[in-house]
Amino acid sequence: AQSVTQLDSQVPVFEEAPVELRCNYSSSVSVYLFWYVQYPNQGLQLLLKYLSGSTLVKGINGFEAEFNKSQTSFHLRKPSVHISDTAEYFCAVARQGAGSYQLTFGKGTKLSVIP
Amino acid sequence: DSGVTQTPKHLITATGQRVTLRCSPRSGDLSVYWYQQSLDQGLQFLIQYYNGEERAKGNILERFSAQQFPDLHSELNLSSLELGDSALYFCASSVGRLYNSPLHFGNGTRLTVT
Repeated sequence: AQSVTQLDSQVPVFEEAPVELRCNYSSSVSVYLFWYVQYPNQGLQLLLKYLSGSTLVKGINGFEAEFNKSQTSFHLRKPSVHISDTAEYFCAVARQGAGSYQLTFGKGTKLSVIP
Repeated sequence: DSGVTQTPKHLITATGQRVTLRCSPRSGDLSVYWYQQSLDQGLQFLIQYYNGEERAKGNILERFSAQQFPDLHSELNLSSLELGDSALYFCASSVGRLYNSPLHFGNGTRLTVT
């Protein structure tokens, strides 16, 4: 079974400052990795995903993440945050070869951007 | 707008009752997934349907059941409701079963059991 740990439940950051949201996973098999964002009163929206290839993945809204297999991490970064980035961010994994899209989610990190 | 429609948006009911949550996937999407989001458990995968057939089961209670109809909409039935069933229930859809097809989430149904 897979598991995901998001190390910070809340991250406050000033506007235009850089941010890193941390995600570590545990799995006995190869996995696919995802970051989703949830704005208040909305469903989850895919930010980016790592399936294979380059370990640096670029997503929407200026976010990027780096897959580090040796450290089993998939941290999300943005060089300069905006007020509109205030939301909850979820890291998720899915087992490769499972044939379905069962995602195991982390508990989420609430990003608060301070003006 | 993800294109996934969930109804109702809010549902308040009493313990012991039964409710039905409905999901219309994005046009063309064959797979439907149900997730439960609660404060203590986080986001938990419940069940997946692909073109009308059950494909995968997660942490779904026996009191819960789901189905996907020929027009591809799906319903999640929750019965003998308990206080702990209060949560946000999300439906998601994708074109197929491959990871290259993104998962699109609806805005959820917030269930409150009193």
